[in-house]
Amino acid sequence: DAKTTQPNSMESNEEEPVHLPCNHSTISGTDYIHWYRQLPSQGPEYVIHGLTSNVNNRMASLAIAEDRKSSTLILHRATLRDAAVYYCILLFSGAGSYQLTFGKGTKLSVIP
Amino acid sequence: SQTIHQWPATLVQPVGSPLSLECTVEGTSNPNLYWYRQAAGRGLQLLFYSVGIGQISSEVPQNLSASRPQDRQFILSSKKLLLSDSGFYLCAWARGAHTEAFFGQGTRLTVV
Repeated sequence: DAKTTQPNSMESNEEEPVHLPCNHSTISGTDYIHWYRQLPSQGPEYVIHGLTSNVNNRMASLAIAEDRKSSTLILHRATLRDAAVYYCILLFSGAGSYQLTFGKGTKLSVIP
Repeated sequence: SQTIHQWPATLVQPVGSPLSLECTVEGTSNPNLYWYRQAAGRGLQLLFYSVGIGQISSEVPQNLSASRPQDRQFILSSKKLLLSDSGFYLCAWARGAHTEAFFGQGTRLTVV
């Protein structure tokens, strides 16, 4: 299975943009890139996903490198409520693979 | 709209006692269902997933079992709990192999 590598932790000032990196050098052409976040004492929450093109939604933007070996989750203006562990996950799009497996993620701290 | 229910929210059980955690999903049919465990200060560990009634895949050999008696019901069980079974148990569902997943609020289990 293709794996992802993320920094253990990052800090950001409130109201500033945050760029959370993820490396996935062994990604295959059929792997989707998903991002989830987990707030303290809660279950993970879906943030965004993409395949090849950059994606935007109301929560964040996802920038995917042209070779797809890395991606960046962008929070445009960090708030205190964005303090969470962010997980970058690869999901195979073909039949027969249903595991949604989380790595260690990046713990984002937001400084007021 | 779809919702996922997981109960109870908290549970304290003695070592050696049985366990039954239930998860139900509303508003969708034939979902993929997942059980996760998160030990204190640790990452999310995928325990079981199911793509249909009676179909269970186990990711980690352990003291637990799972069953899916109905399309939108997923049950996590143990015959005899161990201290190491303590943790935060999360149920999740997804429509397909690479679509976004939705998590329940979790059950915090303490085995004493």
